[in-house]
Amino acid sequence: DAMVIQNPRYQVTQFGKPVTLSCSQTLNHNVMYWYQQKSSQAPKLLFHYYDKDFNNEADTPDNFQSRRPNTSFCFLDIRSPGLGDAAMYLCATGASGRRNEQFFGPGTRLTVL
Amino acid sequence: AQTVTQSQPEMSVQEAETVTLSCTYDTSESDYYLFWYKQPPSRQMILVIRQEAYKQQNATENRFSVNFQKAAKSFSLKISDSQLGDAAMYFCAYGESGGGADGLTFGKGTHLIIQP
Repeated sequence: DAMVIQNPRYQVTQFGKPVTLSCSQTLNHNVMYWYQQKSSQAPKLLFHYYDKDFNNEADTPDNFQSRRPNTSFCFLDIRSPGLGDAAMYLCATGASGRRNEQFFGPGTRLTVL
Repeated sequence: AQTVTQSQPEMSVQEAETVTLSCTYDTSESDYYLFWYKQPPSRQMILVIRQEAYKQQNATENRFSVNFQKAAKSFSLKISDSQLGDAAMYFCAYGESGGGADGLTFGKGTHLIIQP
């Protein structure tokens, strides 16, 4: 089945220690998104890739970076995690021109100690 | 900037009954998309139903239907014949039209509890 996969599902890191979250997709969608979802809050868009073009949201901290080496994979790098970065990170994919529907992965829950 | 408001943090309904979840949004655009997503505990977010703003007819998917009031900027979700498997967080979301690459703006969600 076509799907969006996120690894790991749970990630624990230490304050200030860089961490990378992974997302892959078998849907062959050209757009990939990263959302941050804190407890009891709405998912918030961090950035997205439209093909190879990176689009950062204006209020996304510089601490957050992303890489998309190919169509299937996208990574979220947190350079120096703080306690406030503890959250669920959701990866989603979409096909441009397909009525904005987005397909979500199961998320990675990040804990910062 | 677009905003999405869900005024009900939590709703409870008896199994087999009908429940309506509320959502309002704010936008200056005339063409856009609205969505309801379901997020079960520890499971991924899945699309429940989609509405295109230029369509006057309310979308329906089996037991799920919406009441889309464009002038009032209201987009409520009705779940008929509620089932235990409907228990989840429900998020209302807004998306721009015209290419479909922008991210979605979500409301804070409504936690739906199904009483057996």
